[in-house]
Amino acid sequence: SQKIEQNSEALNIQEGKTATLTCNYTNYSPAYLQWYRQDPGRGPVFLLLIRENEKEKRKERLKVTFDTTLKQSLFHITASQPADSATYLCAAILTGGGNKLTFGTGTQLKVEL
Amino acid sequence: DAGVIQSPRHEVTEMGQEVTLRCKPISGHNSLFWYRQTMMRGLELLIYFNNNVPIDDSGMPEDRFSAKMPNASFSTLKIQPSEPRDSAVYFCASSLMSQGNEQYFGPGTRLTVT
Repeated sequence: SQKIEQNSEALNIQEGKTATLTCNYTNYSPAYLQWYRQDPGRGPVFLLLIRENEKEKRKERLKVTFDTTLKQSLFHITASQPADSATYLCAAILTGGGNKLTFGTGTQLKVEL
Repeated sequence: DAGVIQSPRHEVTEMGQEVTLRCKPISGHNSLFWYRQTMMRGLELLIYFNNNVPIDDSGMPEDRFSAKMPNASFSTLKIQPSEPRDSAVYFCASSLMSQGNEQYFGPGTRLTVT
């Protein structure tokens, strides 16, 4: 079956380091992937979208890559700050899904001083 | 724009009672989505509408759940009768209807069924 998966273990890193989060998909090839940020008690907030024909997309300290061979997207936050601490979700439309997004379970990031 | 508006923000009810959650999407958006989020199952799509028409309700858990969108600026999700296992945070999101367009989420309704 088609799946979109993220590492459920929390990621703890030191301030100033680069955080790298992984999103893997199996048994399909999405045309694009989206990344969202979710803070406790709030709804997800859209961050970036990357299409299958784009290798990399950047926005300020954020960078997303899309490797269709590995069936994986990586989400990087450079020069991380405690304010970057949140849960990050990847999402994609499965084959035949119309405009319905399927979300990964999210990875919690904690940036420590 | 005020963003997606949901009400109530918190709802505590007893098992067997009817619960109605409300959503006002962003003006101009023509797709609306209802999600449920729990620790165990993450963020799950329940149903979505394009141009006020339900397109996919395969995520609706059972007949106790129903959703309507009578016009472009209002949608409801109803649970009748409610059960303790329905306790979760329910999010409404809206977007422009084309593949790839980002979704804008409301603040959610935290539902507790005792």
